[in-house]
Amino acid sequence: GQQLNQSPQSMFIQEGEDVSMNCTSSSIFNTWLWYKQDPGEGPVLLIALYKAGELTSNGRLTAQFGITRKDSFLNISASIPSDVGIYFCARREGTSYGKLTFGQGTILTVHP
Amino acid sequence: GAGVSQSPSNKVTEKGKDVELRCDPISGHTALYWYRQSLGQGLEFLIYFQGNSAPDKSGLPSDRFSAERTGGSVSTLTIQRTQQEDSAVYLCASSSRLAGGEQFFGPGTRLTVL
Repeated sequence: GQQLNQSPQSMFIQEGEDVSMNCTSSSIFNTWLWYKQDPGEGPVLLIALYKAGELTSNGRLTAQFGITRKDSFLNISASIPSDVGIYFCARREGTSYGKLTFGQGTILTVHP
Repeated sequence: GAGVSQSPSNKVTEKGKDVELRCDPISGHTALYWYRQSLGQGLEFLIYFQGNSAPDKSGLPSDRFSAERTGGSVSTLTIQRTQQEDSAVYLCASSSRLAGGEQFFGPGTRLTVL
């Protein structure tokens, strides 16, 4: 099946630092999604991107849909301890009700 | 609550037994999805239901896995003759076009097969 390559696999940073993670795909698609998962919980949607080149912010989070429609990045500015968790990129197949394919996840650790 | 709920939160079973996992989607959401998250793995799609359409079962790993959605609401994922490799967190999600179409996840059921 079509794969999403997410990097880095893990990050250890100091509180206050900025973070960047990205995803690439071997194929073009129409929707990029970024989710965060806390321990023992299901993923929570952070940002959804629908158009090539789109840049969207949600508080300290910023994500962009690459021009080639094959990649996306997520930036977190001024990290805080509650940013700890696993971040997943995902793509949705086709229609509004399409299934999601997820990247491998980026484990973020923030040291106070 | 207004979110997706799943039960049980944890399930421990013996190899060879059947298990049923339940999902209550957000009220009014017409689409319901099941995913599996194994240790060290990402989330993988299992099956989804949309309205009265035939479910997309393309992600089910074997014929031991099946799912039903009754009355367009609650769904049950059944795993027959469980194997140790079935141990994972099973996540349910629901979505609605009227709510933007994106999927909202429940907390998951952690299944351990001994």
